[in-house]
Amino acid sequence: AQKVTQAQTEISVVEKEDVTLDCVYETRDTTYYLFWYKQPPSGELVFLIRRNSFDEQNEISGRYSWNFQKSTSSFNFTITASQVVDSAVYFCALSDEMNSGYSTLTFGKGTMLLVSP
Amino acid sequence: SAVISQKPSRDICQRGTSLTIQCQVDSQVTMMFWYRQQPGQSLTLIATANQGSEATYESGFVIDKFPISRPNLTFSTLTVSNMSPEDSSIYLCSVEITDYEQYFGPGTRLTVT
Repeated sequence: AQKVTQAQTEISVVEKEDVTLDCVYETRDTTYYLFWYKQPPSGELVFLIRRNSFDEQNEISGRYSWNFQKSTSSFNFTITASQVVDSAVYFCALSDEMNSGYSTLTFGKGTMLLVSP
Repeated sequence: SAVISQKPSRDICQRGTSLTIQCQVDSQVTMMFWYRQQPGQSLTLIATANQGSEATYESGFVIDKFPISRPNLTFSTLTVSNMSPEDSSIYLCSVEITDYEQYFGPGTRLTVT
């Protein structure tokens, strides 16, 4: 069975601090995808990134960066120079191998990030 | 990506009644998904809806409680039947635009009194 663990329930930082959100996953699939989603207070789920299991290159997008390490089954997310607008719940998710013709997502419990001015 | 809308955005319902939630996407998609997010919790997949066939329900969810329709490639409905306060949640639909990539609607906030 697939599992995603986000051990940090809530993180509080002051604006301009860097913050890393941890994600550890378990799967028996050889092909899988990892995702990060952002859920602001409005409730919508915003797609941030998708990473496949064969691509361990780190990725940077503006203030966001992701570190995928297959050896430790981790896919961590770093926000550099955090801003108040980054305050949200962040979910890490894992897809399965599309055995049924489509993928299903397993979500972690989420990490609430609070950025204060 | 895709533009996904849901109606209603929120509702307050009486115990024992039913609510139908609509999900509309601006492009044709094969698979649509329905999730539940209970207060302060993560997302749990309710069912997967493929156009022209019965929805596939996850363990713990049954068709009598959560009937789903998928009449065409851009639309789906989820009904929450015979509601109880435990059904108070955010209900989200999502679509798979490319392999392994799901985009979510804005969600429907349901409160059952």
